[in-house]
Amino acid sequence: AQSVTQPDIHITVSEGASLELRCNYSYGATPYLFWYVQSPGQGLQLLLKYFSGDTLVQGIKGFEAEFKRSQSSFNLRKPSVHWSDAAEYFCAVGALNNNNDMRFGAGTRLTVKP
Amino acid sequence: NAGVTQTPKFQVLKTGQSMTLQCAQDMNHNSMYWYRQDPGMGLRLIYYSASEGTTDKGEVPNGYNVSRLNKREFSLRLESAAPSQTSVYFCASIGINTGELFFGEGSRLTVL
Repeated sequence: AQSVTQPDIHITVSEGASLELRCNYSYGATPYLFWYVQSPGQGLQLLLKYFSGDTLVQGIKGFEAEFKRSQSSFNLRKPSVHWSDAAEYFCAVGALNNNNDMRFGAGTRLTVKP
Repeated sequence: NAGVTQTPKFQVLKTGQSMTLQCAQDMNHNSMYWYRQDPGMGLRLIYYSASEGTTDKGEVPNGYNVSRLNKREFSLRLESAAPSQTSVYFCASIGINTGELFFGEGSRLTVL
């Protein structure tokens, strides 16, 4: 079965600094990869997804992620963090034709310092 | 367009009591899901329904039952609640051919 590892439980960055959140996955076939964001007390919102094609994908709110098959990674990046980006971020792996197998990482909580 | 709506938002139960979490989506999605979220563990799939009339177990189904009442509604039932079921529960549906999960706002359940 597939699995997702987010090595960083909590990250703190200063406002305006760059951000990279790590995600490693294990999946037997070509993975479909997702990043979701959860603000306190809210449900999850899709930031971006990778199905195929260009390995650098752009998402909402200025986020991007790069799929690296050789490293089994799908790291999330943002060049300049805003205070409103403080939230919890989840990486997920699944298959479009096997939707029951959507697995989530444990999440990374982002704190933004003024 | 309401998306995914789940009720109640908060519930406190005593051990052994039963309750049902309700979920409805208005996006005409075929597949619906119930997840639980616990600190440090991400979201774990409890049950899912690939289409109306079908349900299947996910990663952590023990202690739960589900009903896919129609295409819109997918309920989660705890027959005899236990403290280990204290969690935040999320219902979700998946976009046709997009793979994107649309989540409800969550239901916080405490079992004493």
